Amino acid sequence: ILNVEQSPQSLHVQEGDSTNFTCSFPSSNFYALHWYRWETAKSPEALFVMTLNGDEKKKGRISATLNTKEGYSYLYIKGSQPEDSATYLCAFISGGSYIPTFGRGTSLIVHP
Amino acid sequence: DTEVTQTPKHLVMGMTNKKSLKCEQHMGHRAMYWYKQKAKKPPELMFVYSYEKLSINESVPSRFSPECPNSSLLNLHLHALQPEDSALYLCASSQDYTGGFKNIQYFGAGTRLSVL
Repeated sequence: ILNVEQSPQSLHVQEGDSTNFTCSFPSSNFYALHWYRWETAKSPEALFVMTLNGDEKKKGRISATLNTKEGYSYLYIKGSQPEDSATYLCAFISGGSYIPTFGRGTSLIVHP
Repeated sequence: DTEVTQTPKHLVMGMTNKKSLKCEQHMGHRAMYWYKQKAKKPPELMFVYSYEKLSINESVPSRFSPECPNSSLLNLHLHALQPEDSALYLCASSQDYTGGFKNIQYFGAGTRLSVL
């Protein structure tokens, strides 16, 4: 069983704050890492698919970095807005099984 | 259209019932997936269909029976379920499954299933 940890479990920030959270995964046999945003009662929405060590991806105010050697990825949100409130999930895909293992997610609440 | 549509949104069934969950996409994707998410747990992959053929079955009990009648449609047939099968069932699709999970997955909103 692969261990994919996300921290913190939940986060409350004020509108305008910048924030970041972490996805930790096994540092061996890396294949890909996915980040998703999941708003309550909606579909999970893919944010990034990261495949190379050192990858940095950006989508508007959201960006992500990847370090496969040490087994972590950071997701950054610049200038958080209430509409950023959601659960952010990462999914690690190993080169052994090619099956995604999801973390439990970080629940972000942005207060106006 | 980047939508994956799942029906029904909610389903309550008894342990002797037979029911089906339906998933549809019209993005021309050739890979479709079923996931199960129990409360307060991460989603877990159940099945992968690639080009309408079952590619992965993650040791799912036979009371769950997937079917892919065509490239746009994925069903999950349910029979003799147990109360512990109550969960959110999510469907997803991606361009293809070649090379594993390097393609973005598009998810539906899920079917919330309760087994009484």
